[in-house]
Amino acid sequence: DQQVKQNSPSLSVQEGRISILNCDYTNSMFDYFLWYKKYPAEGPTFLISISSIKDKNEDGRFTVFLNKSAKHLSLHIVPSQPGDSAVYFCAASGDDKIIFGKGTRLHILP
Amino acid sequence: DAGVIQSPRHEVTEMGQEVTLRCKPISGHDYLFWYRQTMMRGLELLIYFNNNVPIDDSGMPEDRFSAKMPNASFSTLKIQPSEPRDSAVYFCASGNKGRFNGYTFGSGTRLTVV
Repeated sequence: DQQVKQNSPSLSVQEGRISILNCDYTNSMFDYFLWYKKYPAEGPTFLISISSIKDKNEDGRFTVFLNKSAKHLSLHIVPSQPGDSAVYFCAASGDDKIIFGKGTRLHILP
Repeated sequence: DAGVIQSPRHEVTEMGQEVTLRCKPISGHDYLFWYRQTMMRGLELLIYFNNNVPIDDSGMPEDRFSAKMPNASFSTLKIQPSEPRDSAVYFCASGNKGRFNGYTFGSGTRLTVV
């Protein structure tokens, strides 16, 4: 039973355009949501997070939007750069542990 | 700070053998997590510790899996006996309370059971 779902296994975006990665969750008790980025042969690295009391958090080129009523969050990357090509994991937390989705592989095209 | 250190980076073993994965968390971190990554299931939480005490092991797939944290600077994940379906990348992560900053992951151990 997947509590955090990333329904798009992969996404291709032109360099310079906006990348939008989506995530859905089922547990209304989650109070923090996070995005991690992973390169091959490395561990996931923390990218950005948002508290459930907010609907938007921005950090440079990265913005996370949260829609609690729809149990949906998204990560926007503007503008997309070649170094953004990686697997992005959506994650959620309701206590001390973090539950991850299966990930979306983002390809930035030249 | 060397980050979270996992060893070995790669492990190939025969079915039925015992496998031990090791993790050294970042000094000062109170929480330690073991995750497993597979294509089918993504990143799944196996077990986590707080101040060296196991808090939640509900993700441990079977009794063949066990984890220990004898002190604040060392943890092991053991599989005995190993099976081909255990082949995956195993990650260790550590951090302090305050999930909004996430936890720091090691580089992982790629386990192949043949």
